[in-house]
Amino acid sequence: DIVMTQTPLSLSVTPGQAASISCKSSQSLLNSVGKTYLSWFLQKPGQSPQLLIHEVSRRFSGVPARFSGSGSGTDFTLEISRVEAEDVGVYHCMSGLSLPWTFGQGTKVEI
Amino acid sequence: EVQLVESGGGLVQPGGSLRVSCAASGFTFSTSWMHWVRQRPGEGFFWVSRISDDGNRKDYADSVAGRFTVSRDNGMSTMYLQMNSLRVDDTATYYCVRDQTGTGDYWGKGTLVTVS
Repeated sequence: DIVMTQTPLSLSVTPGQAASISCKSSQSLLNSVGKTYLSWFLQKPGQSPQLLIHEVSRRFSGVPARFSGSGSGTDFTLEISRVEAEDVGVYHCMSGLSLPWTFGQGTKVEI
Repeated sequence: EVQLVESGGGLVQPGGSLRVSCAASGFTFSTSWMHWVRQRPGEGFFWVSRISDDGNRKDYADSVAGRFTVSRDNGMSTMYLQMNSLRVDDTATYYCVRDQTGTGDYWGKGTLVTVS
């Protein structure tokens, strides 16, 4: 199985400041047709996960532009350009290259 | 609006059985592949199972294969997870997730299964 490793595991941010989370996979997430299946989810307190980013950098419908994803191969980054209070929660990266889907440990972001 | 609503969770003794359901609405369920993903209290996510749109293809995590069975009723827009021989370490919130090539785009609120 592909192992996903996130850093840091917790992050304290000031509203209006930028934040960055790293995710590394144990093998490349690039498939044979040139797609890279790395996603980012946010689980707000007491809620189910919501998709933020898929295929490394594609924002899901309705996701604010302050969220962006980058990376390739095995190294990926989620950036929040200007953190808002509503962005608190746990961020998870996920490999969707093949089954089983595997997830990072999660990064807790607090204000 | 896409909605996924899980139900059927509860308390069950080790070795027991439980069936959880996922009722879908707001999209064409019969053309969507679906997944179950679980989250133990205070932990990360663990993929459990996937079922194809027509129900003919089913995949399972190694730790649940032979004990869990995924199924669906497209006429009722509902997916099921039959869980047998439950263990204490199956305790988790079980989420229903819609497949969107290489990711899961919509998640339900989850249903808590406690094995104790």
